[in-house]
This record gives sequence, C-alpha cells and structure tokens, in this order.
Amino acid sequence: AQSVAQPEDQVNVAEGNPLTVKCTYSVSGNPYLFWYVQYPNRGLQFLLKYITGDNLVKGSYGFEAEFNKSQTSFHLKKPSALVSDSALYFCAVRFMAAGNKLTFGGGTRVLVKP
Amino acid sequence: DSGVTQTPKHLITATGQRVTLRCSPRSGDLSVYWYQQSLDQGLQFLIQYYNGEERAKGNILERFSAQQFPDLHSELNLSSLELGDSALYFCASSVDGAGVMPDTQYFGPGTRLTVL
Repeated sequence: AQSVAQPEDQVNVAEGNPLTVKCTYSVSGNPYLFWYVQYPNRGLQFLLKYITGDNLVKGSYGFEAEFNKSQTSFHLKKPSALVSDSALYFCAVRFMAAGNKLTFGGGTRVLVKP
Repeated sequence: DSGVTQTPKHLITATGQRVTLRCSPRSGDLSVYWYQQSLDQGLQFLIQYYNGEERAKGNILERFSAQQFPDLHSELNLSSLELGDSALYFCASSVDGAGVMPDTQYFGPGTRLTVL
C-alpha cells in the first residue's frame, strides 16, 4: 500500500542549531513530494516540493529538503532554526496513480527553544 | 495569505444538524479540494472538484456532499452531524488538478466545526 510516514511526533531543537524533520514514503513508481507547515489556528502553508530533477530542493523561509530515492525519504532541513519555526510540519505525497489528492503524514511538531 | 478563503471560521452546532462550509479558490485556480483534520484521523482528503465536476473522492462519508459552482467556489455540506464530525475542515485549490501537472495545492485557513 502507498503511504507516507513521519516517524517523529515531536522534534526539539535549540535556536541556531540545525533542524531536521523526517519523512519517508512507500510507493511503487515516482511520487511528487511536498512539505507544508501549520502555525496555531492557521491553515497549511506550502514550503516546497519535489517533482523531478535536482534532489535538493530549496523552499520558503530558508527551508530545504533532500529527496533520496534509494531510502525513499524526503527530509526537511533548515541550517539554523528560529524560535518562530516552532509549528506543526506535514510531509505529503501525491502518487501518480492516485490522481491529484495529497496523502499526508501524521505531522511532526517542532519546538525551537531560545 | 494563500488567496484561498473559507467561511465561516468557526461553526458550533448540535448533533443531527446540517451545515454548509464555503470556499473560494485562488483567482485562476480550477480545482478545489476538501480535507478534514482531526486529532484521531489526522489530515484526510475528502473530495476534489475540477472546473465544476467531481474529480476524485477520498474518505468522505455519505452524509457529506460537496459541489463546485460555475464561479468556481465550492461548498461542503455536512448533514446528520455526529460528535465525531468535530474537526477542522480545509479547502485547498490548485491551478490544474486534472492529474497531469503536479501543481501545488494552496490551503485556506480552515473552518473549525464543533458538534455538541
């Protein structure tokens, strides 16, 4: 079955340290991969996506993600975290055979401490 | 601001009632998607409309229905409401959504539904 997983419910990091939020997927074929962020009482904001090409994708607010086909992963990274990055992060996958719907991971709460 | 608008922001109603959630997509977007976010089920795709026609269906209950109007706005109708329907309902829109282009979905701020 096709699925996407975020193995960590919460990630704690000190401000200024690197931030990594993990995402893995299971699919037969090539997926399209997305990262969204949700701040309290707000909708989901698009951060970045991987469609094809360069495995390192750069997105909004200094975030980037690396697509690794052999490990079926698409981890979100930021070199230096800010307190304002504290939010709920969702990885999502669009599988070619599933139309245009997004399948979301369970979300990872990021807490950046000053 | 994504450009997707949803009304109302909050909705409190009783079991057995019917409500309508409204969504206006970004200018130029032809596809509208509805998602439900709840604590136990996470974010789940409900249904997609493309240029007025139903395109894809997800885990949408028979008590729920949706439509997209000629001006491309969409409504999600929830009837015979149960306590478990309490959730955040998001609308998203994208330019295409016909399944060819991997276009980005932009989300509205959501409607928080509370069923008492």
